[in-house]
Amino acid sequence: GENVEQHPSTLSVQEGDSAVIKCTYSDSASNYFPWYKQELGKGPQLIIDIRSNVGEKKDQRIAVTLNKTAKHFSLHITETQPEDSAVYFCAASTGNQFYFGTGTSLTVIP
Amino acid sequence: DVKVTQSSRYLVKRTGEKVFLECVQDMDHENMFWYRQDPGLGLRLIYFSYDVKMKEKGDIPEGYSVSREKKERFSLILESASTNQTSMYLCASSLTPPEQYFGPGTRLTVT
Repeated sequence: GENVEQHPSTLSVQEGDSAVIKCTYSDSASNYFPWYKQELGKGPQLIIDIRSNVGEKKDQRIAVTLNKTAKHFSLHITETQPEDSAVYFCAASTGNQFYFGTGTSLTVIP
Repeated sequence: DVKVTQSSRYLVKRTGEKVFLECVQDMDHENMFWYRQDPGLGLRLIYFSYDVKMKEKGDIPEGYSVSREKKERFSLILESASTNQTSMYLCASSLTPPEQYFGPGTRLTVT
């Protein structure tokens, strides 16, 4: 089955700096790559996603890039704010099943 | 907004008890999922369902069963709870093509 690896497991940045989280996947049939943000005590919330026919997608301060050849995708958060502090998960999907990374705990230091 | 609700936020059960976790979605989604979330292991799929009365095993189905009698409701059943089933349980739903939405989670403690 699919194997998704996520790095780093923890990340601390100063407020206003950028944060980058990287994921790799193993199954070339994966065609949908969502990113989730999970705040303490809450369920994961979809923040951005990208499909395999697109190389990059941006939504305000958040962007995702996908390199199908290398089988990796990344989340970029610019101008980080304290409210961006949370655990972020990547996932890869071939259709109806989702495979998740182990999460990155992001701390934005004011 | 899509809304996925779970019956309990916190639950404490004793070893050997039968446990029911309920999940309801209000967006007429075809697909529903149950995951467990453990530190360092991320989210692991227990069961999923494509449609009413349909179910498929995920990666860790042992010790669990599910029921989907209505499209909006997906139940996870722990037949005989054990301490190693202490975890955060997350329900999710999605359409096809997938955009998956999660409920708030149920933190289950088995003593």
